[in-house]
Amino acid sequence: SAVISQKPSRDICQRGTSLTIQCQVDSQVTMMFWYRQQPGQSLTLIATANQGSEATYESGFVIDKFPISRPNLTFSTLTVSNMSPEDSSIYLCSVGLTNTEAFFGQGTRLTVV
Amino acid sequence: QKEVEQNSGPLSVPEGAIASLNCTYSDRGSQSFFWYRQYSGKSPELIMSIYSNGDKEDGRFTAQLNKASQYVSLLIRDSQPSDSATYLCAVMASGTASKLTFGTGTRLQVTL
Repeated sequence: SAVISQKPSRDICQRGTSLTIQCQVDSQVTMMFWYRQQPGQSLTLIATANQGSEATYESGFVIDKFPISRPNLTFSTLTVSNMSPEDSSIYLCSVGLTNTEAFFGQGTRLTVV
Repeated sequence: QKEVEQNSGPLSVPEGAIASLNCTYSDRGSQSFFWYRQYSGKSPELIMSIYSNGDKEDGRFTAQLNKASQYVSLLIRDSQPSDSATYLCAVMASGTASKLTFGTGTRLQVTL
């Protein structure tokens, strides 16, 4: 497995503001993903963070709302823009090491007030 | 739409019993199957992966896969109170390299 550090671990934000979440991995990985877990729900994939190119977004998620950076093979950021209370969720960074298994960071618990 | 279905529970089993968690999936192209355990307020933790039909055992955990029936299960033997958590079934389609589709999870309660 890999050691995945995600920060912040939690935050309370005002509506209309933006929050950037960082994900750092202790080894170079090809695949990095961002998931959202809304209260009481399962995980939903937001996007795949591609190194050197734009992220690939899943249906229902757009770059303007969730811009993603992937400057190198060990780091990615997800920004939640123009937040509303509906964005209150846990946001999770995930990495794939062997083209199969995926491991998760500790998550960022976001509350928008 | 690719779906992964789980009974949300809660599934309640007494300590020492076998807990059986089930999952069905709709995409016949799925190649890899995973069980994650998630404690309340924590991130998912990978506990089992299975790629071919049959059983795979790891300690107290056994994963079972039947691709013809599009069914995957997790058995937990000698259940302990520390096993109380939500168990997420996740499926990876062929060629999607670590991109997972998750079920809604089954909440397991192991009672004393």
